[in-house]
Amino acid sequence: GESVGLHLPTLSVQEGDNSIINCAYSNSASDYFIWYKQESGKGPQFIIDIRSNMDKRQGQRVTVLLNKTVKHLSLQIAATQPGDSAVYFCAETPTGGGNKLTFGTGTQLKVEL
Amino acid sequence: ETGVTQTPRHLVMGMTNKKSLKCEQHLGHNAMYWYKQSAKKPLELMFVYSLEERVENNSVPSRFSPECPNSSHLFLHLHTLQPEDSALYLCASSQAIRTSATGELFFGEGSRLTVL
Repeated sequence: GESVGLHLPTLSVQEGDNSIINCAYSNSASDYFIWYKQESGKGPQFIIDIRSNMDKRQGQRVTVLLNKTVKHLSLQIAATQPGDSAVYFCAETPTGGGNKLTFGTGTQLKVEL
Repeated sequence: ETGVTQTPRHLVMGMTNKKSLKCEQHLGHNAMYWYKQSAKKPLELMFVYSLEERVENNSVPSRFSPECPNSSHLFLHLHTLQPEDSALYLCASSQAIRTSATGELFFGEGSRLTVL
């Protein structure tokens, strides 16, 4: 069946370094992708999104890259801070899927001081 | 105050109990959702409501019964649950259900359910 998954369950980075979190998806009809951040004891929060007609989108300290050829999505966090420690989820929806997102399992980002 | 509020934050119940989870959104959204989050599993979509009508039920057992009395409130009634139902139950809202929607969901902080 279709799935959205992440390559690594845990990623540890030094404070100030850049972080790269990866996500693979299998649904070739996936049209819209979102990254969510979930801090301990809280619900997921929207970080950044990208449509399939783009291959890169930048936000504040974050960049999402989309490679449709290999069905790969990544989230880059510049100058990682302790407050970035959280679980990061990618989610996707196909064309016409609207708000019904399929989520990946998540990557735990740990920022070491 | 967050845009989506869930109560209770923690709930412990026996398998024969009846309890309810409550969700309230203050964002003026028209669509509300229940998701289940279990350890090391992706978020699982349970129910979707649009303008107070259920538009999706993802093969959820009948021991989970949703209710949406208005566009701001969503309940999940729980009855005769099993220990494997222990999880974090997340409520979310969005502006509308549209096939062309951007898909951003606003989540509450969740209700942590433990079934003994």
